[in-house]
Amino acid sequence: AQSVTQPDIHITVSEGASLELRCNYSYGATPYLFWYVQSPGQGLQLLLKYFSGDTLVQGIKGFEAEFKRSQSSFNLRKPSVHWSDAAEYFCAGGSQGNLIFGKGTKLSVKP
Amino acid sequence: DGGITQSPKYLFRKEGQNVTLSCEQNLNHDAMYWYRQDPGQGLRLIYYSQIVNDFQKGDIAEGYSVSREKKESFPLTVTSAQKNPTAFYLCASAMNLDYEQYFGPGTRLTVT
Repeated sequence: AQSVTQPDIHITVSEGASLELRCNYSYGATPYLFWYVQSPGQGLQLLLKYFSGDTLVQGIKGFEAEFKRSQSSFNLRKPSVHWSDAAEYFCAGGSQGNLIFGKGTKLSVKP
Repeated sequence: DGGITQSPKYLFRKEGQNVTLSCEQNLNHDAMYWYRQDPGQGLRLIYYSQIVNDFQKGDIAEGYSVSREKKESFPLTVTSAQKNPTAFYLCASAMNLDYEQYFGPGTRLTVT
């Protein structure tokens, strides 16, 4: 069955530290892959997307993600976290509109 | 100013009543979606529509109904048959099924 897994429910990092949020997918073919961010009580904002081509994709707010077919992963990274990055992050994958979302990783940032 | 609007932001209903959530977009997108979000569950697809007058059930369509009479509007009705309707509901749209989805701000529905 198709699935998207975010192994970490909650991560805490210090402001200025680097960040990596994990995402693993299970699909027969290469799916479209996305990362979204959600602040409490708000909708989701698209951070970046991967459809095909270059496996390292750049997004907004200084985020990037790398598609690794051999590891079935699409991890989100940021070199230096800001307090405003505290939010919940969702990985999603699919095709033809049938997006499957991971259960999210909540990011806390400590001063 | 292009975007997706959902109204109201908060909605309260008594058990046994149907309630309709509004979703409007002015992005000229063909595809629209409804998701339900519960704590710790991620997003689950209720219905989606790829074109006017056509829509498909998602993973958790039971107890919900939709219509797509206009390109820009995709209202969701939560019926009394939905056993656990209290949740955060998110509407999204996309250029078509093969493009990224953009989300509205959500409606929090509480049924008591």
